[in-house]
Amino acid sequence: GEDVEQSLFLSVREGDSSVINCTYTDSSSTYLYWYKQEPGAGLQLLTYIFSNMDMKQDQRLTVLLNKKDKHLSLRIADTQTGDSAIYFCAERISGTYKYIFGTGTRLKVLA
Amino acid sequence: NAGVTQTPKFRVLKTGQSMTLLCAQDMNHEYMYWYRQDPGMGLRLIHYSVGEGTTAKGEVPDGYNVSRLKKQNFLLGLESAAPSQTSVYFCASSHGQGSSGNTIYFGEGSWLTVV
Repeated sequence: GEDVEQSLFLSVREGDSSVINCTYTDSSSTYLYWYKQEPGAGLQLLTYIFSNMDMKQDQRLTVLLNKKDKHLSLRIADTQTGDSAIYFCAERISGTYKYIFGTGTRLKVLA
Repeated sequence: NAGVTQTPKFRVLKTGQSMTLLCAQDMNHEYMYWYRQDPGMGLRLIHYSVGEGTTAKGEVPDGYNVSRLKKQNFLLGLESAAPSQTSVYFCASSHGQGSSGNTIYFGEGSWLTVV
């Protein structure tokens, strides 16, 4: 079946890099996404990667995709206290309406 | 820059009461979705729509109904609220196939408590 898994918590010190990992099961996914959710708010799109790409960089964010291992990661460089939030990994299943979301990783940035 | 707008943002209901959550999007998206978010369970799809006049069941449809009479609006109804429906509800929308990364955009959420 379709499933997306993430670790629940990550704690880093301000200024360090954060790496949030995600594994997915459906090899037919076309797009993979990272969303950020701050307390009391909706999910905000951070970035996405098409399944034929290995890497995408956008300012402090780097997304790595290992399609063979079905592994996606989000690296945040120079992590700031404002990056504290829940980060969701998601995949879009090819040819369908379906988006499968992970349970979210809560990132805590220590000053 | 409205995007996806949900109303109301907060509501407290008594068991057995009914209510409707309203969702509007101004991006001309074909697909619209209602999710609920519960601690430790991520996002679960309640119902979705692939176009005006169409609706379909998601993972957890029981106790909810939806309507998509206009392309820009997607309504979620609770006919007889139960405490198990206490949750945060998110509306979302996306284009159909093949454009803009097929990104799904979310509203700000509606916090519903059933007592």
